[in-house]
Amino acid sequence: SQQGEEDPQALSIQEGENATMNCSYKTSINNLQWYRQNSGRGLVHLILIRSNEREKHSGRLRVTLDTSKKSSSLLITASRAADTASYFCATVPIPRDDKIIFGKGTRLHILP
Amino acid sequence: DVKVTQSSRYLVKRTGEKVFLECVQDMDHENMFWYRQDPGLGLRLIYFSYDVKMKEKGDIPEGYSVSREKKERFSLILESASTNQTSMYLCASSPARGSLGDTQYFGPGTRLTVL
Repeated sequence: SQQGEEDPQALSIQEGENATMNCSYKTSINNLQWYRQNSGRGLVHLILIRSNEREKHSGRLRVTLDTSKKSSSLLITASRAADTASYFCATVPIPRDDKIIFGKGTRLHILP
Repeated sequence: DVKVTQSSRYLVKRTGEKVFLECVQDMDHENMFWYRQDPGLGLRLIYFSYDVKMKEKGDIPEGYSVSREKKERFSLILESASTNQTSMYLCASSPARGSLGDTQYFGPGTRLTVL
């Protein structure tokens, strides 16, 4: 069952620019997480934002959550070549059924 | 740092073979998960486990089974591999039951090709 859906599916930007990815979901959530996956590797957790939070920062990452619109955004500032990866949002729905539900991801390509 | 390891990065098997994918985590996590990842379909949960000898079906358990004899090890078994099971398999773990919605830690993945 697909809960989160990222937008856009793919994004190419110049190094140094900011990258914004969006995630929409369907049901109420306990929390929303963002993960990164480098090509052919496992996923790495980036940040978790709870349903009672509106914004969270971690280094060059900024995540916002709008529960009224059932959406979240991930902003990567001052992008670098190493940011080239796929980014997934993952939601934990309410009522909790003990699973995280992943979206299909946004492929981000940073151009030199 | 949490470390989740998977027994193989790449695996090639033939149709009908029994395949074992092993996953080990070193952080005493209660929960372990197996996903498969296919282009355009994202991550799909196959099975997960709360505790030793406990297992729960995920969204796509057909054709798979699992084993968790020790807390740190979670095995995915393809009883009779088929070509439609060619995929990237990802193992993950998370700390404790009751916090299943918290951060998951992933292994590097096993790319399985069934010929």
